[in-house]
Amino acid sequence: EAGVAQSPRYKIIEKRQSVAFWCNPISGHATLYWYQQILGQGPKLLIQFQNNGVVDDSQLPKDRFSAERLKGVDSTLKIQPAKLEDSAVYLCASSLGDRALETQYFGPGTRLLVL
Amino acid sequence: LAKTTQPISMDSYEGQEVNITCSHNNIATNDYITWYQQFPSQGPRFIIQGYKTKVTNEVASLFIPADRKSSTLSLPRVSLSDTAVYYCLVGDSGDNAGNMLTFGGGTRLMVKP
Repeated sequence: EAGVAQSPRYKIIEKRQSVAFWCNPISGHATLYWYQQILGQGPKLLIQFQNNGVVDDSQLPKDRFSAERLKGVDSTLKIQPAKLEDSAVYLCASSLGDRALETQYFGPGTRLLVL
Repeated sequence: LAKTTQPISMDSYEGQEVNITCSHNNIATNDYITWYQQFPSQGPRFIIQGYKTKVTNEVASLFIPADRKSSTLSLPRVSLSDTAVYYCLVGDSGDNAGNMLTFGGGTRLMVKP
């Protein structure tokens, strides 16, 4: 089966610019997650969707980050305006359900560099 | 949500068995233990999950003592391609996944020739 797809794979922008990332989860997976992984650290959950509804966005910096999952399939994560500290890998993952024991399948990530 | 503690890094040589221990002293009755593996420039990948005693699959074994306050991921006869970061996570089967997936720093395993 096809895995989680993400694009772009790499992005370089200047601070205060905007950027958007796209994620296509595994077909049939109801739950979608966005993580931020700073170099040398573990992934940090930003937002979790169940179908097209938000389940958890407690760690999403809502003043500059936004995410949507229209029609409960693809999702986009946007940063506007970007700051230097946003430089990180942004990982998208999906799972069949939203329970803690569900295996999460991760995409390759988008590596963002903010100059 | 149980906090986990793992060694920051470990070194090994090809062909050796590697054991990575995770401490989770305040694990709750309904908590399960899950391990993920992350290669450089890739997202994490599920390795193994267990509740008690021993679980084995084609990749690894997971040993959980009776008190469940720790667990050990065992990788038999490692190769260079097992060089990765290994994350231990603990969560309740009834928890929302977002509550469970709080990754710590993980254990960086370096396998040498």
